[in-house]
Amino acid sequence: EDQVTQSPEALRLQEGESSSLNCSYTVSGLRGLFWYRQDPGKGPEFLFTLYSAGEEKEKERLKATLTKKESFLHITAPKPEDSATYLCAGSGGYNKLIFGAGTRLAVHP
Amino acid sequence: ETGVTQTPRHLVMGMTNKKSLKCEQHLGHNAMYWYKQSAKKPLELMFVYNFKEQTENNSVPSRFSPECPNSSHLFLHLHTLQPEDSALYLCASSPDRGQKGTEAFFGQGTRLTVV
Repeated sequence: EDQVTQSPEALRLQEGESSSLNCSYTVSGLRGLFWYRQDPGKGPEFLFTLYSAGEEKEKERLKATLTKKESFLHITAPKPEDSATYLCAGSGGYNKLIFGAGTRLAVHP
Repeated sequence: ETGVTQTPRHLVMGMTNKKSLKCEQHLGHNAMYWYKQSAKKPLELMFVYNFKEQTENNSVPSRFSPECPNSSHLFLHLHTLQPEDSALYLCASSPDRGQKGTEAFFGQGTRLTVV
């Protein structure tokens, strides 16, 4: 069965304290790995798409990487406005995204 | 208007009511989706429509009935729901790129409470 697992479930950081979020996947015939950000009461906001092992994407303080078994979202020198839930999803079938449960990130000043 | 718009944003309904959720996308996409998001659980895919045709029904109970009249509009008709159906219902759309996975763009969701 296709599955996406994210860790940790929750992460508390001090402003400026860099860290990484993990997304492990077992999705047969992976057609893409996606990262989203979700703020409370809102829909997920698309961040990155990764298609191949070794691929990296960057946006401001965020960098996403992909291996054959997992993806990482690296957060460099985070700010309080980076606080959100970060979701990872794998595309396992035609137009079908399988989501992990997310990592709740809190960045404190 | 841009993106994916969902209405209403909040809905409270009794178990015997009938209501509908509406979704409209202005991105020119060909695929539209309904997802359910419950507290501390992953987003659950409910339905997928490609070019107005339903291509995925993820074992969703018949009290949820989707409708896709065209590639820009998607509805979710609700009837005789249960309290455990209370959740955030999210609509999304994505372009069609054949076999390559495509990112989905989400609306803000409808917060549904069944009383």
